Amino acid sequence: NAGVTQTPKFQVLKTGQSMTLQCAQDMNHNSMYWYRQDPGMGLRLIYYSASEGTTDKGEVPNGYNVSRLNKREFSLRLESAAPSQTSVYFCASSGTGTGAEEKLFFGSGTQLSVL
Amino acid sequence: AQSVTQLDSQVPVFEEAPVELRCNYSSSVSVYLFWYVQYPNQGLQLLLKYLSGSTLVKGINGFEAEFNKSQTSFHLRKPSVHISDTAEYFCAVIGNTDKLIFGTGTRLQVFP
Repeated sequence: NAGVTQTPKFQVLKTGQSMTLQCAQDMNHNSMYWYRQDPGMGLRLIYYSASEGTTDKGEVPNGYNVSRLNKREFSLRLESAAPSQTSVYFCASSGTGTGAEEKLFFGSGTQLSVL
Repeated sequence: AQSVTQLDSQVPVFEEAPVELRCNYSSSVSVYLFWYVQYPNQGLQLLLKYLSGSTLVKGINGFEAEFNKSQTSFHLRKPSVHISDTAEYFCAVIGNTDKLIFGTGTRLQVFP
C-alpha cells in the first residue's frame, strides 16, 4: 500500500554539490514524472518517462538528469546544485493509456535547499 | 501546446460560504482537465477530472467543476466550505501528449 515513495524528505546542499533524488512506485505504472514546485509557479515538469527505458524533457530540464532504472524506479540527479534549484520536488506515476484515464499518484515530496 | 491559467493566487472566504476557483486553459486539441488539492506539507490528491460526457463533474469533499468548451474554462466550486478545505488547489490539463501541465495554483483560505 506504499504508492509512490520518495527519498530523502529533506536535503541541504552547498552550491556545486551533487545528489540524486530517488523515487519508486509499486503500482506497476508505466509513466513516471519529476516535478518541482515553487511559490507562485505551481508545479513544473522537469522530466518524465513514458515507459521503462525512455525519458523526455519537460518544461524545466536544465541542470537535471534522470534515469529510469526499471519500471519501478525513476531517479533525478543534480550534477552541480545551484541556489535556483532550491525547491520542493515531487515524483509521480500514472497508469497506462492514452491519457483518458490519467491520474497521477504523487510522492510526499523532497524539500531541497541549496546554499 | 496547452497551458493553464489560474487567475486567482489566493481566495479568502468565510466558513460555510460558497467558493469558486477559476481555471482557464488553452489548447488546439481536445483536452482532459483535472483539479488537484494539496494540503499543507502533503503531496497532491486528485479532486475530480473531466474526460468526456457530462460537463458537470462531481468530485470528493463536495467539490464540483463545470467544463465550458466555448469559454475554455473549468472552474471549481463548492456551495459551502469548511475550515478543512484550506489548501492549495491546482488545475491541470492534458492535451495530445501524456504530459500533465499544471496551473500556478490557488490558495484557498477558509476563515471561521
